[in-house]
Amino acid sequence: DGGITQSPKYLFRKEGQNVTLSCEQNLNHDAMYWYRQDPGQGLRLIYYSQIVNDFQKGDIAEGYSVSREKKESFPLTVTSAQKNPTAFYLCASSTQSGANVLTFGAGSRLTVL
Amino acid sequence: ILNVEQSPQSLHVQEGDSTNFTCSFPSSNFYALHWYRWETAKSPEALFVMTLNGDEKKKGRISATLNTKEGYSYLYIKGSQPEDSATYLCAFPNFGNEKLTFGTGTRLTIIP
Repeated sequence: DGGITQSPKYLFRKEGQNVTLSCEQNLNHDAMYWYRQDPGQGLRLIYYSQIVNDFQKGDIAEGYSVSREKKESFPLTVTSAQKNPTAFYLCASSTQSGANVLTFGAGSRLTVL
Repeated sequence: ILNVEQSPQSLHVQEGDSTNFTCSFPSSNFYALHWYRWETAKSPEALFVMTLNGDEKKKGRISATLNTKEGYSYLYIKGSQPEDSATYLCAFPNFGNEKLTFGTGTRLTIIP
């Protein structure tokens, strides 16, 4: 079945550590996105990539980094510079044409201890 | 950052009753308006993408309308069922349609 796989589902990290969240899609979508969700807030865009080897900052990119070396993969690194990393992270992809409807993964919940 | 607002923030509805909620968005440079449903422990799923002023779309008991001139969309649920319990998100693309800005969502709980 085609879809988006995020891993791990739950992750605990100590302060000062970097952590990488995985996002893989087999939908042959060109565009991929990372969103963050906090209680009482909408989904906020961290980074997005419309094509391999290219990506752009979203609205809250500080303290995060990404790479897009392969069309299928868009990993997100939460660095120690991110002040409030505890959150739920959603990866999404789209065809980047027409309506640009997003397909989402199941999410990763990061807790900083 | 685009301003996309949803109201109410949460809603409790008796099973069998109908309900509706609102998404407000910038009326200038309109391209499209998306609605997504996010059930607990699942991924958000697209419900509708609306592009034309006056458009009305329907999926089963759920329908949506669009007013691009005044910048709002309504989502209606007729005869609510427990499986309708979810957070409903609307999203608005930027002018280049490269990315979506989401509203904070309306959390709907259906009371059996």
